[in-house]
Amino acid sequence: DQQVKQNSPSLSVQEGRISILNCDYTNSMFDYFLWYKKYPAEGPTFLISISSIKDKNEDGRFTVFLNKSAKHLSLHIVPSQPGDSAVYFCAASEGTGKLIFGQGTTLQVKP
Amino acid sequence: GAGVSQSPSNKVTEKGKDVELRCDPISGHTALYWYRQSLGQGLEFLIYFQGNSAPDKSGLPSDRFSAERTGGSVSTLTIQRTQQEDSAVYLCASSWESGTGGQPQHFGDGTRLSIL
Repeated sequence: DQQVKQNSPSLSVQEGRISILNCDYTNSMFDYFLWYKKYPAEGPTFLISISSIKDKNEDGRFTVFLNKSAKHLSLHIVPSQPGDSAVYFCAASEGTGKLIFGQGTTLQVKP
Repeated sequence: GAGVSQSPSNKVTEKGKDVELRCDPISGHTALYWYRQSLGQGLEFLIYFQGNSAPDKSGLPSDRFSAERTGGSVSTLTIQRTQQEDSAVYLCASSWESGTGGQPQHFGDGTRLSIL
């Protein structure tokens, strides 16, 4: 049973436009959500997180939105840059250190 | 400052052999985690250590897998009698005190394990 799902394996956007990456979850006990970015042959790098008591968190070009009633979160990147091309993972936690990850979405930003 | 360091970066071994993977966490981080990523999949939780508490081993796929953390710092993940399905990238992460899930985990670059 996959508790965290990223249903889009890939996304392609033009440089300067908005990238929207989506993530759905099934476990209502999750109270903390994170997004990671991963380049080939490197470990994931933390991007941004959000607590379940909030519905939005912003950090520069990155904004995460949380819709608890829909059990859905999204990562917005604006404006998108070619260096943003990577695999993006969403992850969730029940209040312990154990993270449950989605399968990832490969983002390609075209110049 | 130094990040999470994992060794070896690549390991190729024959089916049935034992392997040991090492992780050096970021200095001062009290929590340490092991995950693995199989081809085309997301990261799968294996085990985590938090201070002196008993580790959460709930993600270990079989009793061939074990891990220890000595002196609250370096950790070793051991896989005995390796099988081909063990082939994956094994990732280690560390963070400040967990318990709330609110501390971001910082990852090493992983060990790519290939079982022939």
